[in-house]
Amino acid sequence: GQQLNQSPQSMFIQEGEDVSMNCTSSSIFNTWLWYKQDPGEGPVLLIALYKAGELTSNGRLTAQFGITRKDSFLNISASIPSDVGIYFCAGHNSGGSNYKLTFGKGTLLTVNP
Amino acid sequence: EAGVVQSPRYKIIEKKQPVAFWCNPISGHNTLYWYRQNLGQGPELLIRYENEEAVDDSQLPKDRFSAERLKGVDSTLKIQPAELGDSAVYLCASSRREGHEQFFGPGTRLTVL
Repeated sequence: GQQLNQSPQSMFIQEGEDVSMNCTSSSIFNTWLWYKQDPGEGPVLLIALYKAGELTSNGRLTAQFGITRKDSFLNISASIPSDVGIYFCAGHNSGGSNYKLTFGKGTLLTVNP
Repeated sequence: EAGVVQSPRYKIIEKKQPVAFWCNPISGHNTLYWYRQNLGQGPELLIRYENEEAVDDSQLPKDRFSAERLKGVDSTLKIQPAELGDSAVYLCASSRREGHEQFFGPGTRLTVL
């Protein structure tokens, strides 16, 4: 089946630093989504990407849909303590019988104030 | 608008006992998903509903798991009997239609002793 490799597994940064994480897939996706999950809560959608090459921003967050449709990255600029959490990438296909949203294993972000 | 509601938030049971989780999706969302999230992993789809029809239950362990969405709104996921390996967070998500962004509830954390 489809597999997503998300890296890094964890990051420890200082407040104010920029962060970059990425996701690669063994197969093509039509949609890439980035979620953030806080402890004890469900994932919250941050950014959705629908076209290869698309670059989308949401405040301090910027994400891109790779041109090959097999990868995506998420950048966080000027990190703050509330950015702490687990960030998941997820890929989605909307063709044929495979409508499944496949998640990466997550990147744990720790921000030191 | 109100988000996805799940209950209970936490459940501790002994193995071989039954357990049920309830989900109320976002109003107007026709598609409902149940996911299982093991520690340190991303969510994995168990079952997807389009209105009241289960259109993808290929990942649902049917020997002990069952789900229903009788009126196409609320849904219940049941495990009977529970096993130690069922300890996980069970997440419900909904979307306006299949393929659209999925919004998650807070999850039910199940511990099987």
